[in-house]
Amino acid sequence: QVTLKESGPGILQPSQTLSLTCTFSGFSLSTYGMGVGWIRQPSGKGLEWLANIWWDDDKYYNPSLKNRLTISKDTSNNQAFLKITNVDTADTATYYCARMGDFDYWGQGVMVTVSS
Amino acid sequence: DIQMTQSLASLSASLEEIVTITCQASQDIGNWLAWYQQKPGKSPQLLIHSATSLADGIPSRFSGSRSGTQYSLKISRLQVEDTGIYYCLQRYSNPWTFGGGTKLELK
Repeated sequence: QVTLKESGPGILQPSQTLSLTCTFSGFSLSTYGMGVGWIRQPSGKGLEWLANIWWDDDKYYNPSLKNRLTISKDTSNNQAFLKITNVDTADTATYYCARMGDFDYWGQGVMVTVSS
Repeated sequence: DIQMTQSLASLSASLEEIVTITCQASQDIGNWLAWYQQKPGKSPQLLIHSATSLADGIPSRFSGSRSGTQYSLKISRLQVEDTGIYYCLQRYSNPWTFGGGTKLELK
């Protein structure tokens, strides 16, 4: 059974760094072809793809967030991570992680609010 | 970036009706397209992958098709539980891009 669960700080202030963790089970990021992606959704709005990391440590980022994103993984502990630096109120959203290639399994999402 | 346009932001249909939701890609993306359904307060759920392949556990009334750079999601007989917002996603090239979504409601 594949499950994913996101965790994060809940609330943080502008200019801080957002650190998100995706803890998953039912698959391994050391298996050929596997990957985890991060997607976010501001309240009442659409979905935005942020970043992907693959089994071979290949990484891809949404250039709209320029150099603010860093994705990484801990294969031994079945976790993937996303860091977003220098957050502002526009980063307030629900953040999801999902299994790739087709995002066939998603976590429940974690709400993140950026507020001073 | 590849733009994915869902021209209908909302759609209202009756029970048992045939519903078609479309997504237009700004350039060729082959069959690298997926459809998702999202219900209020829930995570998106994969319905269709590779433009036409039904995801595991999804009812057969859902189907996907492609004509050039236009992709369609068809619901053959609308059920109450099919209400929600439908998104397309292209993963042909980075950045992966979602359509803006089509909200499907019951008439």
